[in-house]
Amino acid sequence: QVQLVQSGAEVKKPGASVKVSCKASHYTFRNFGITWVRQAPGQGLEWMGWIRVYNGNTDYAQNLQGRVTMTTDTSTTTAYMELRSLRSDDTAIYYCARESAGNPDFWGQGTLVTVSS
Amino acid sequence: DIQMTQSPSSLSASVGDRVTITCRASQSISISLNWYQQKPGKAPQLLIYGASSLQSGVPSRFSGSGSGTDFTLAISGLEPEDSATYYCLQSYSAPWTFGQGTKAEIK
Repeated sequence: QVQLVQSGAEVKKPGASVKVSCKASHYTFRNFGITWVRQAPGQGLEWMGWIRVYNGNTDYAQNLQGRVTMTTDTSTTTAYMELRSLRSDDTAIYYCARESAGNPDFWGQGTLVTVSS
Repeated sequence: DIQMTQSPSSLSASVGDRVTITCRASQSISISLNWYQQKPGKAPQLLIYGASSLQSGVPSRFSGSGSGTDFTLAISGLEPEDSATYYCLQSYSAPWTFGQGTKAEIK
């Protein structure tokens, strides 16, 4: 069964950076993309962007441009999402999901990132 | 950006009922529309992709329809475990956008 396992919860101060990992298993990592989605407490889902694993192409949400970087390591079948210059409104659960032809199908369990002074 | 307007924002129905949730796109998105179910404290789960294709392992009481700008998720024969929040997602063009969500309560 396809599995995406994310790194653990993080607490960061405003202005810091966070890097969330997403370890994929039980499928051919290069053949799919990875999408990142976040969910602020009690709120809906927000698409952050995606990365094509086979060529590294990315597309980021406009409101995160310049602060977010998505990468993958094919040797360890792990995807990463780094968010810089954190603000309090970046407090959210961050999800990775396997993306197949525009369809995020299997999701990680989520990583809570709390930004607080 | 394509806006997705989802309705209703909440619903309450009884076990065995049939309910529908709609999503309207601000421009045509062909059939690039997915539906997700999210339970509290859990990641979203894909129910329907390509507007009407049932994801493997999802009960057949879930169905999707529509194309262009208007889409519907139907749940026939509600079960207690269907209590959740449902979201639509358009993946026609970036930025992909979600509907605001529909919270379903099963009486």
